[in-house]
Parts: sequence; C-alpha cells; structure tokens
Amino acid sequence: EDQVTQSPEALRLQEGESSSLNCSYTVSGLRGLFWYRQDPGKGPEFLFTLYSAGEEKEKERLKATLTKKESFLHITAPKPEDSATYLCAVQRGGGGADGLTFGKGTHLIIQP
Amino acid sequence: GAGVSQSPSNKVTEKGKDVELRCDPISGHTALYWYRQSLGQGLEFLIYFQGNSAPDKSGLPSDRFSAERTGGSVSTLTIQRTQQEDSAVYLCASSLLQSNEKLFFGSGTQLSVL
Repeated sequence: EDQVTQSPEALRLQEGESSSLNCSYTVSGLRGLFWYRQDPGKGPEFLFTLYSAGEEKEKERLKATLTKKESFLHITAPKPEDSATYLCAVQRGGGGADGLTFGKGTHLIIQP
Repeated sequence: GAGVSQSPSNKVTEKGKDVELRCDPISGHTALYWYRQSLGQGLEFLIYFQGNSAPDKSGLPSDRFSAERTGGSVSTLTIQRTQQEDSAVYLCASSLLQSNEKLFFGSGTQLSVL
C-alpha cells in the first residue's frame, strides 16, 4: 500500500526564517511526486511535479527536491502570504489506479 | 468557466438521506477526479473519469457511493443513505490529459450529516 508521511504536522516561522518541509513516501514504482498548497476553505493548488531522484524545481521562494525515499520543500525567506497547508502526494507507476495518495500536510504559519 | 466549479458549497443533511454533489470541470479537461478530505486526514481518492467512462472506481468506500459524468463534462457524486462518517469535504479536480500531471481543484462541498 502506498504511504505518504509529512513532517512536521505544523510549523511556525518568523518572516524571513528559512526552513524545509519533509515528505517521506513508500510507493511501488514512483510515477510522480506532487506538491500542492491549500489555503483555508479552498481546494489544493498545484505547485510542482518531480519524477526522478535528483530532480529539483523552483518557484519564487519555494524549491522542491526528490530522493528515492523522500522529498523536501525548501522555503527561503518566507513571507506571511506563504502561510498555508502544504500537501505532498505520490502517483504509482505501472498502470492501474490513477488516483494520487496524499499525505496529511504540513500547516505552515509565517509570522510578520 | 475559469476554474472548477462545485455545488453546493455546503450541504447539511440528515442521516439516511441521499445527497448529490455536482462538479463542473474546466472546459476541455478530459480527466475528472473526486477526492474526499476528512478532518485531520489526507485527501482520499474516490473515483476517476476519462471522458464519460470511469476506469478506476477503486476508491469508492462503499456501494452507497456512485458517480457519473455526462457529455464529458459535468459530474455528479451521489451518496445514498448517508451516514455520519460521510461528513467531509468532497473535492473535485480536473486535468487536461489523463496524465494526472497537474490537477485543478474546485473549492469543494462541505457535507455535514447530522
């Protein structure tokens, strides 16, 4: 069974204080690892897809990296508007179910 | 439309009643997904449509749950004889292709079963 574990569950940072969120996964043949951002009362918003170990992607203050067992979402000099829940998800390769397996998320609060 | 639209945004029902949730995906998106998000839990995959067909119904939690999609566009998720454990946010997402590369989510329907 595919599993995604995110840590920490919650993280409070001061504005400008860089940190990383962790996503550990177990999946039979990774087809893709996804990061989404979710604001209260809204659906998740796509951030990144990573396909293979060693791959990195960046968007503004966010950088996502991938190894064979985990992914990190690095947040550099965050601003209050980066406050949200960040979700990690994996998709299994080899056909079959196309649904993503999501972690429970990391609730990030950036204080001014 | 500009994004994925779901209705109603909130639904309160009594245990044992049937409910229908609606999803209007982004125009031209062939793939459509239903997920459920319970308090303190991760998103749970329910069902996937490619066009009007549902090749993957593996996530539906029981036979009380069913879904259909007509005209390759609007989808409805029906829950019969609702139970309190069905209370959750039901999220719909669409993507341009089957690849699951980039899902666009609606804001969801908050279902409360009393």
